[in-house]
Amino acid sequence: EAGVAQSPRYKIIEKRQSVAFWCNPISGHATLYWYQQILGQGPKLLIQFQNNGVVDDSQLPKDRFSAERLKGVDSTLKIQPAKLEDSAVYLCASSLDGGLAGEQFFGPGTRLTVL
Amino acid sequence: GNSVTQMEGPVTLSEEAFLTINCTYTATGYPSLFWYVQYPGEGLQLLLKATKADDKGSNKGFEATYRKETTSFHLEKGSVQVSDSAVYFCALYNNNDMRFGAGTRLTVKP
Repeated sequence: EAGVAQSPRYKIIEKRQSVAFWCNPISGHATLYWYQQILGQGPKLLIQFQNNGVVDDSQLPKDRFSAERLKGVDSTLKIQPAKLEDSAVYLCASSLDGGLAGEQFFGPGTRLTVL
Repeated sequence: GNSVTQMEGPVTLSEEAFLTINCTYTATGYPSLFWYVQYPGEGLQLLLKATKADDKGSNKGFEATYRKETTSFHLEKGSVQVSDSAVYFCALYNNNDMRFGAGTRLTVKP
């Protein structure tokens, strides 16, 4: 079974530029999550989708971050414009049921450096 | 709100030593609790979980018991191996909210 795919693996941009990350979850997984992991910290949930609807985006900085999952499968996360403090690893995860005890499967992440 | 506090690292142990990594949580209601592990160069993966009070999660010789009275989910292993060297994250899931601790880096020396 293929795992969660993410691209690109690394990205370096200047502040105020835009950037987009792509995620393809495990086939059949209804729930998709985007996390931000700053160096030395645990992952922070940004947004959770159930199929193509948003379940929770309370920690997403909506003035600059946006995410979509148009056909309930793959997803993109965009930052526009980027700030220095956005430097982090962006993790995508998926789960089969997204429920109370649903195991989340994580992708390898995209490491973003904002200069 | 929901939060997780885990023991700060790094932790360095000799092979076959006993491991404890402390984790406490704050949540309303009845969260599910998890330990995730990140081996060098790899992505996060689930190590074990517990979904209700007094449940014990176990995997690969690791164990953790969901203690509601002390709001804790400490990770233990009786005899660590060099291959257990990794970063360990305690996490909770409650009302569509997933929270991770800051992670504890474990290094096991031969």
